[in-house]
Amino acid sequence: DAGVTQSPTHLIKTRGQQVTLRCSPKSGHDTVSWYQQALGQGPQFIFQYYEEEERQRGNFPDRFSGHQFPNYSSELNVNALLLGDSALYLCASSLVAGELLFGSGTQLSVL
Amino acid sequence: GENVEQHPSTLSVQEGDSAVIKCTYSDSASNYFPWYKQELGKGPQLIIDIRSNVGEKKDQRIAVTLNKTAKHFSLHITETQPEDSAVYFCAASKENAGNMLTFGGGTRLMVKP
Repeated sequence: DAGVTQSPTHLIKTRGQQVTLRCSPKSGHDTVSWYQQALGQGPQFIFQYYEEEERQRGNFPDRFSGHQFPNYSSELNVNALLLGDSALYLCASSLVAGELLFGSGTQLSVL
Repeated sequence: GENVEQHPSTLSVQEGDSAVIKCTYSDSASNYFPWYKQELGKGPQLIIDIRSNVGEKKDQRIAVTLNKTAKHFSLHITETQPEDSAVYFCAASKENAGNMLTFGGGTRLMVKP
């Protein structure tokens, strides 16, 4: 089992652009959570998807949106990118309320 | 909301020594406390967790203690090895909040051979 797969691994964007990050959960997991990890800090919860709906959301603006597909995979979209959006974006899958399994993340750089 | 403080931010120990990392949390309703290890270029990996109905849990060289009254919990690593070198994060959540973890700021552990 490949575990949690994220793509791309690295991405460079310009301020004002839009970006889409992708996540495939571990086989058997039905819940996907997204976290943002700035350099030298702990991950911060963005939102969680279960049954194709956003179930919980952290303190992030509406520029951050997501989607979950019927096969449980998920996308994170960020609009109108700011320099401060530069971070490692982590996807974690689980069974609902179960132990989180993290992917290796997508490193986003905004120039 | 929940706030988790972690210290020290860096910790250097000699191989074979013990390492202790401490965290405090603010929300008395939190009842699940996992610890993660993050190596360079990888995502956090769960190494041990504890729930509020127990005070201590051990898994080989790793142990976690929880003091609900004081709202703090600690990670203890004994007989440290160079491969223990990594960044460690504590986290807290309420089980009825699903997987919404609040993380501490991390501790960079360096084990010198």
